[in-house]
Amino acid sequence: SYELTQAPSVSVSPGQTASITCSGDKLGDKYACWYQQKPGQSPVLVIYEDMKRPSGIPERFSGSNSGNTATLTISGTQAMDEADYYCQAWDSSTVVFGGGTKLTVL
Amino acid sequence: EVQLVESGGGLVQPGGSLRLSCAASGFTFSSYWMSWVRQAPGKGLEWVANIKQDGGEKYYVDSVKGRFTISRDNAKNSLYLQMNSLRAEDTAVYYCARPQPTWHDALDIWGQGTMVTVCS
Repeated sequence: SYELTQAPSVSVSPGQTASITCSGDKLGDKYACWYQQKPGQSPVLVIYEDMKRPSGIPERFSGSNSGNTATLTISGTQAMDEADYYCQAWDSSTVVFGGGTKLTVL
Repeated sequence: EVQLVESGGGLVQPGGSLRLSCAASGFTFSSYWMSWVRQAPGKGLEWVANIKQDGGEKYYVDSVKGRFTISRDNAKNSLYLQMNSLRAEDTAVYYCARPQPTWHDALDIWGQGTMVTVCS
C-alpha cells in the first residue's frame, strides 16, 4: 500500500520560514494537499492541488510537489501556526495520510 | 452554511457494535463522494472508508474490511458507518469529510468528530 512519510516534528522561530516535507514514491505524479490541526479541533485544509490555498487561508502558506517530495512552506511563521500538519494524497480510490508533523513556534 | 455533523459515538465493549451518522447540510450531498477518517488518541489521521455518490462503490482501509460498512441515504442527506466486532484499536475520534472533486478530491469540509471508545 502507498505510504507518505513526514518528520514527527519541526521547530521554527517566530517570523522565520518553516518547511514541512512529505515523501512518497512518485508523489509528484499525484496531487498533494495539506491539513492543519490544532488541539481539540478538526483538521482544516490549507493547501490543495499541491500549491493552491482555499479562501481564508493566509498567503504565508504555500506548497510545492515534485519528484518524491511535497513541501508545505509557512513564511513569516506566527505563533498561531503552531499545530500538527498532515499531508495527504489519493492512491487509486483510497485516501493516504502522512503521519503528521508537529510544528513548534518558539 | 456547508456543514457536517457526526453523531452516534460512545462507549462500547470489545466485540460490540456501533453505528455512526453524519448529517450533511448546505450543499448537494448526493453529488459528492464521502469519507470517514479517524484519529486515535494522540495519534495521526487515518482514512477509514469512502463511498461513491450513489453508494455503488465503497472502499475501506484493510484493518476494518469485513467489520465496518459505509453507507448513505441521499434522501436524508446522511452518511453512516456501521461498526461491528469492535476492537480496542478502533478507539478514536471519527470524522466524516467531503472530498471536493473540483480540487482533485481534497477533503475540504470536516465534521467536528464523534468519539468512539472500545473498552471493557
